[in-house]
Amino acid sequence: GAGVSQSPRYKVAKRGQDVALRCDPISGHVSLFWYQQALGQGPEFLTYFQNEAQLDKSGLPSDRFFAERPEGSVSTLKIQRTQQEDSAVYLCASTRVGGFDEQFFGPGTRLTVL
Amino acid sequence: KQEVTQIPAALSVPEGENLVLNCSFTDSAIYNLQWFRQDPGKGLTSLLLIQSSQREQTSGRLNASLDKSSGRSTLYIAASQPGDSATYLCAVPFLYSGAGSYQLTFGKGTKLSVIP
Repeated sequence: GAGVSQSPRYKVAKRGQDVALRCDPISGHVSLFWYQQALGQGPEFLTYFQNEAQLDKSGLPSDRFFAERPEGSVSTLKIQRTQQEDSAVYLCASTRVGGFDEQFFGPGTRLTVL
Repeated sequence: KQEVTQIPAALSVPEGENLVLNCSFTDSAIYNLQWFRQDPGKGLTSLLLIQSSQREQTSGRLNASLDKSSGRSTLYIAASQPGDSATYLCAVPFLYSGAGSYQLTFGKGTKLSVIP
């Protein structure tokens, strides 16, 4: 596609529910990143993929967070047993080749946990 | 670990004014620096990427400068318009060598309001 797309754009979950957030990177982009953005803050890194390999998951806040990119294109960020502190905007970005390339971001998914 | 600071946190200017947004970073060993724009409820739009070997990068009314030695970058917006109202973020890639990863470290942003 022309840009990075994310779905759903908005998600409301009850505390304890599992959620899955999808990211479609720009076609052919090798690297994919997930970030979490709290209100009034800059995005914080969660995890990084190069093709299907998850090279860095150091930013995932707990073992309730899990990300995958099985075929090296679409990625899913899953959050199990959601908590109120998980409420944030989740942003996905991709780069053409390496991590130092210009990062292109999707519109984000706003997650609200009640 | 790299830290990025943006000052001011918010800025309000009348239409037509030229303005400067500031970004500072603690580790001068950067590969590049990227400026983004974020509209309310939207994702990030890349404005300019300035390589470490460059001093300036221009796109239309925007000009970004980079001074690695002092750990600073500025984004200059000429002849501001109400449509420029948004939050502007700067970010540098942090090489997490232990995992071969390139995280972007962001500032908190400067919220710009251009008053008609």
